[in-house]
Amino acid sequence: DGGITQSPKYLFRKEGQNVTLSCEQNLNHDAMYWYRQDPGQGLRLIYYSQIVNDFQKGDIAEGYSVSREKKESFPLTVTSAQKNPTAFYLCASSLDSESETQYFGPGTRLLVL
Amino acid sequence: GDSVTQMEGPVTLSEEAFLTINCTYTATGYPSLFWYVQYPGEGLQLLLKATKADDKGSNKGFEATYRKETTSFHLEKGSVQVSDSAVYFCALGGSTLGRLYFGRGTQLTVWP
Repeated sequence: DGGITQSPKYLFRKEGQNVTLSCEQNLNHDAMYWYRQDPGQGLRLIYYSQIVNDFQKGDIAEGYSVSREKKESFPLTVTSAQKNPTAFYLCASSLDSESETQYFGPGTRLLVL
Repeated sequence: GDSVTQMEGPVTLSEEAFLTINCTYTATGYPSLFWYVQYPGEGLQLLLKATKADDKGSNKGFEATYRKETTSFHLEKGSVQVSDSAVYFCALGGSTLGRLYFGRGTQLTVWP
């Protein structure tokens, strides 16, 4: 089955630690996105990538970093500079940057110890 | 800039009641409009979409009509079920290629 997978489902971060959230898709989509979801705030865009080896900052990129070395993969690193990382993180993809329909993974919940 | 405003929740209904969740937007040009649904602990699923004025998107008994004159895309269902309990997000395709702008979400709870 084609789709988007995110791992792990739950992730715990200690103070000062960087953690990486995985996002993989086998839909052959060019564009990929990372969102952060907090209660009552909807989804906020962190980073997006329209093509391999290229990515742009979204609205809340500070404290996060990404890479796009392969079409299928778009990992997100939450760095120690992100002071309030507790949230639900959602990865999405779309066929290309002109196709607005996005397909979402199941999400990763990040908690701070 | 591009933005979406949707009805504050939570919304609580009895089974078989009529549902309306309001959504209005601000955008330049002629954006596509979407409704996504999120079940507890899961990612978002596309529920329906409309790409131009007067289009009606529909799926699983839900409908929404793209009204350019009122800049609205209200979600409706004639008879809700307990299984419809979820968070519903309105979104618009923005002026930046590929970007979606989401509303804050509306929590719907349906009681038997």
